[in-house]
Amino acid sequence: DIQMTQSPSSLSASVGVRVTITCRASQSISNYLNWYQQKPGKAPRLLIYAASSLQSGVPLRFSGSGSGTEFTLTISSLQPEDFATYYCQQSYTSPYTFGQGTKLEIK
Amino acid sequence: EVQLVESGGGLVQPGGSLRLSCAASGFAFSIYGMTWVRQAPGKGLEWVSVISGSGGSTDYADSVKGRFTISRDNSKNTLYLQMSSLRAEDTAIYYCAKLGGAVAGSWGQGILVTVSS
Repeated sequence: DIQMTQSPSSLSASVGVRVTITCRASQSISNYLNWYQQKPGKAPRLLIYAASSLQSGVPLRFSGSGSGTEFTLTISSLQPEDFATYYCQQSYTSPYTFGQGTKLEIK
Repeated sequence: EVQLVESGGGLVQPGGSLRLSCAASGFAFSIYGMTWVRQAPGKGLEWVSVISGSGGSTDYADSVKGRFTISRDNSKNTLYLQMSSLRAEDTAIYYCAKLGGAVAGSWGQGILVTVSS
């Protein structure tokens, strides 16, 4: 199975700053990498698919990059509604494994 | 608008069975693959199972293989997850999601399954 490792596991940041979350795959997954946002008590929401494609309705401050084994999710200017947990997921091959999550908290 | 509504969760004893349903609307259900993802209390997301639009192709996580069965009824726009030989570690919120390729683009609100005596 492909292992997905996110860093950091948690992050404290202030409104308005730029934030980057990294996701590493245990083997090459080309660009088959997706990012989800989850708020407490809510279902996950797709933000980015195919490593860098923005899902419809997602604010432009979110962006994704990378290919192969290393990927990043960047939020260009944190907004209060962005404080949540973020997960990466590989959709290259089954089982479609998730990273362990990165909890983004208000500083 | 895509809507996915899970039902069938609840409390079940270890070794018991439960069938989850996911009623879909707002899209051509039979065209899209569907998936189940679960989340144990306070933990991260775990992919559980996937089924093709026709229902002819399925796959499972090793943790549920041989115990869970995914199926669908395209005439009723409904996805199912039959769970048997349930264990305490199966306790989780179970989400169904609509796939675009292998990407879960739309999710249900989730349903809680608790396995406990």
